[in-house]
Amino acid sequence: GAVVSQHPSWVICKSGTSVKIECRSLDFQATTMFWYRQFPKQSLMLMATSNEGSKATYEQGVEKDKFLINHASLTLSTLTVTSAHPEDSSFYICSGRILYEQYFGPGTRLTVT
Amino acid sequence: GQQVMQIPQYQHVQEGEDFTTYCNSSTTLSNIQWYKQRPGGHPVFLIQLVKSGEVKKQKRLTFQFGEAKKNSSLHITATQTTDVGTYFCAGGGLSGGSNYKLTFGKGTLLTVNP
Repeated sequence: GAVVSQHPSWVICKSGTSVKIECRSLDFQATTMFWYRQFPKQSLMLMATSNEGSKATYEQGVEKDKFLINHASLTLSTLTVTSAHPEDSSFYICSGRILYEQYFGPGTRLTVT
Repeated sequence: GQQVMQIPQYQHVQEGEDFTTYCNSSTTLSNIQWYKQRPGGHPVFLIQLVKSGEVKKQKRLTFQFGEAKKNSSLHITATQTTDVGTYFCAGGGLSGGSNYKLTFGKGTLLTVNP
């Protein structure tokens, strides 16, 4: 099956700093990638839809200036959490789309101290 | 916006018992997908339903899509310990013209007592 990787798998950063998370489709080209946020024992909340070569589409309530998304190639999308605060601590998961199926990465655990 | 409700939130069963989780959307869906997330893992695609009234089976798993394309269910027959995990339904709606964006339900955490 299609494989999606994320890097880093976990990161701890200080409040006010920025963190970049990479999402790569390893064996397929993903025209569309999605970024989700998942709180412990809760559902996945879609943050944004990332299309290669164009600006990301953010869901209502998600600050685009805080969560910068870049999808520069068909195999790489990045999410940068700028000026991170403790409330940004969460599990961030990306997925790559093939037709209607989404293939999820293993997620990145972000802890902001 | 589109909302997808899923019940129950938790279900604990004895191995061999059946299990069902239900999903209900506030709007008509273009399709519904089901994912399974093992503890500590990431969601894995199980199936997609597209047609009104569609029923699909995967071994012990039976998936149904309602006639109105607003509800769906996943039924597991004779659960096994390997079925443990959180089952999410995800609705593909027509909002914004995108049939690929998914709205996830809150999931049902299934635990199985051996």
